[in-house]
Amino acid sequence: RKEVEQDPGPFNVPEGATVAFNCTYSNSASQSFFWYRQDCRKEPKLLMSVYSSGNEDGRFTAQLNRASQYISLLIRDSKLSDSATYLCVVNNPPGGYNKLIFGAGTRLAVHP
Amino acid sequence: EAQVTQNPRYLITVTGKKLTVTCSQNMNHEYMSWYRQDPGLGLRQIYYSMNVEVTDKGDVPEGYKVSRKEKRNFPLILESPSPNQTSLYFCASSRGTDSYNEQFFGPGTRLTVL
Repeated sequence: RKEVEQDPGPFNVPEGATVAFNCTYSNSASQSFFWYRQDCRKEPKLLMSVYSSGNEDGRFTAQLNRASQYISLLIRDSKLSDSATYLCVVNNPPGGYNKLIFGAGTRLAVHP
Repeated sequence: EAQVTQNPRYLITVTGKKLTVTCSQNMNHEYMSWYRQDPGLGLRQIYYSMNVEVTDKGDVPEGYKVSRKEKRNFPLILESPSPNQTSLYFCASSRGTDSYNEQFFGPGTRLTVL
């Protein structure tokens, strides 16, 4: 089983749609969670961190469910510019150093 | 401008010919790391460094070497490249080694080994 699993997609949605991605992780001791965005084989960039209480940044909402070991990302009012691959990232194991485990990514294509 | 740079950006080489991919950051970050990205597998860590002269293996270190003689530079060395090392490589850095630190990535190096 992969440490971080995501549906590869692609998710093809029209502009203005709401779309949600889920991600599951295997290590119950994981401590930090992130969504990174990657455009067309360019470098990944941090989209948002995911906090236990859930957090929102404009049209983007991230949720963490520790009991079920999954993370979600909700994008409202999709824009063409949201087309990208979204990487679910989990930082573990406990031990101090900044090791990131990346999911393979979910591809989103927003069309007019 | 704060950034991570990598060179070369694209490289086609032949099996067995030693090569080095350079990585440099200008943010005075302690932590640096190398990843490779392959279709369907996500990014996998090759080596990391928590500070100058401190390096350690990641998940896929075989066939690679690194060094950290200066804080800003973290070159990746392939002593004898093989076709299975054809991949997209990213260098990354972060301010500290705690789990909440954002990692900043270089633009990537696309390597083809024939």
